Amino acid sequence: SQTIHQWPATLVQPVGSPLSLECTVEGTSNPNLYWYRQAAGRGLQLLFYSVGIGQISSEVPQNLSASRPQDRQFILSSKKLLLSDSGFYLCAWSPEEAGGRETQYFGPGTRLLVL
Amino acid sequence: KQEVTQIPAALSVPEGENLVLNCSFTDSAIYNLQWFRQDPGKGLTSLLLIQSSQREQTSGRLNASLDKSSGRSTLYIAASQPGDSATYLCAVSTYKYIFGTGTRLKVLA
Repeated sequence: SQTIHQWPATLVQPVGSPLSLECTVEGTSNPNLYWYRQAAGRGLQLLFYSVGIGQISSEVPQNLSASRPQDRQFILSSKKLLLSDSGFYLCAWSPEEAGGRETQYFGPGTRLLVL
Repeated sequence: KQEVTQIPAALSVPEGENLVLNCSFTDSAIYNLQWFRQDPGKGLTSLLLIQSSQREQTSGRLNASLDKSSGRSTLYIAASQPGDSATYLCAVSTYKYIFGTGTRLKVLA
């Protein structure tokens, strides 16, 4: 069966510090991968998605970047965090051929607080 | 631009009541609509997935309907229980998911 992992679970970082959040998927190959952010009182916003190694699409301009160094690894990064980067970050995957037609499976999330 | 709205934003009901959560979307060109449950500080759990060609899906005490032409979906929860307390999110899919802001449900024992 497929599982999705995210770490860390919680992170408190000072403004201006770098960030690296990791997401890995097990039990599937060539998944589509997604990073979402859920800010307090707001809905989930898609930040990045990837259909393959090295292929990253950005949905909104922001202070963050994403990379996919391996098939089942998706990393969210920032060189300098802003207060507005605080939120709950969720990674998700869907089957390779989904194209939006099948469900996405979500990880447990990382809660980031920037002080 | 697709927008998804959920009403009400919050709902509190006594245990045993049947209830309906509403979701509306502005663009009917979707692949599917999905309802998720989110417990506080946790990830999302898929409840029901309705393909664009379907009208409804059922799982246990949950029933979700989809009316693409009117841009609406409802999630019906029968005989609510305190364990149903959570935030319920609907999302519509084209090549990506667009989420509503959710309905925060509290079922009182």
